[in-house]
Amino acid sequence: EADIYQTPRYLVIGTGKKITLECSQTMGHDKMYWYQQDPGMELHLIHYSYGVNSTEKGDLSSESTVSRIRTEHFPLTLESARPSHTSQYLCASTPGQGGTDTQYFGPGTRLTVL
Amino acid sequence: KNQVEQSPQSLIILEGKNCTLQCNYTVSPFSNLRWYKQDTGRGPVSLTIMTFSENTKSNGRYTATLDADTKQSSLHITASQLSDSASYICVVIDRGSTLGRLYFGRGTQLTVWP
Repeated sequence: EADIYQTPRYLVIGTGKKITLECSQTMGHDKMYWYQQDPGMELHLIHYSYGVNSTEKGDLSSESTVSRIRTEHFPLTLESARPSHTSQYLCASTPGQGGTDTQYFGPGTRLTVL
Repeated sequence: KNQVEQSPQSLIILEGKNCTLQCNYTVSPFSNLRWYKQDTGRGPVSLTIMTFSENTKSNGRYTATLDADTKQSSLHITASQLSDSASYICVVIDRGSTLGRLYFGRGTQLTVWP
């Protein structure tokens, strides 16, 4: 079991609310990622980070933002949630030393916006 | 267009039987290919990682094969167990970027019946 955690695991929230999805890892990994996954569909990269103070947008356009102030934490924020944001959000990390490094995934946050 | 295609989309087998899942990809240049197991409501967990020079890799009852020439991979599960019920995701890593760009398949949903 990987030492990467996500909270909350499930979140139901109303439209327009601001939310932050937490992700933390205790493995000291430099690279961290956020993916969005709809049922039966592939994972889409929405944000990634090479290290502290480094954040980049991924392939899938997202209205969310991220920050990387500490190595262990990579929170994702939605300023104003909408029903189109309903999805599963997966956080991952990797040591970042080579192309064959395994990505370790957190358990995910299932977000429902009403 | 997804550069990683998996088949079948879903599969039901009886406990104790073997099965083979397929993955075809068009990602180039190719770095390595991974198979992940994702239980419902959980994050993916790595099963195998193969570079272009490897043809076969085993992890317990899971055996992955890779043909880099035809860009095909398979995951063979031997003597299936109820706990094998999950989605199996094929992931191909692009060698052409510093990020190590990951391309995800949509997964094969395997159900093992008693």
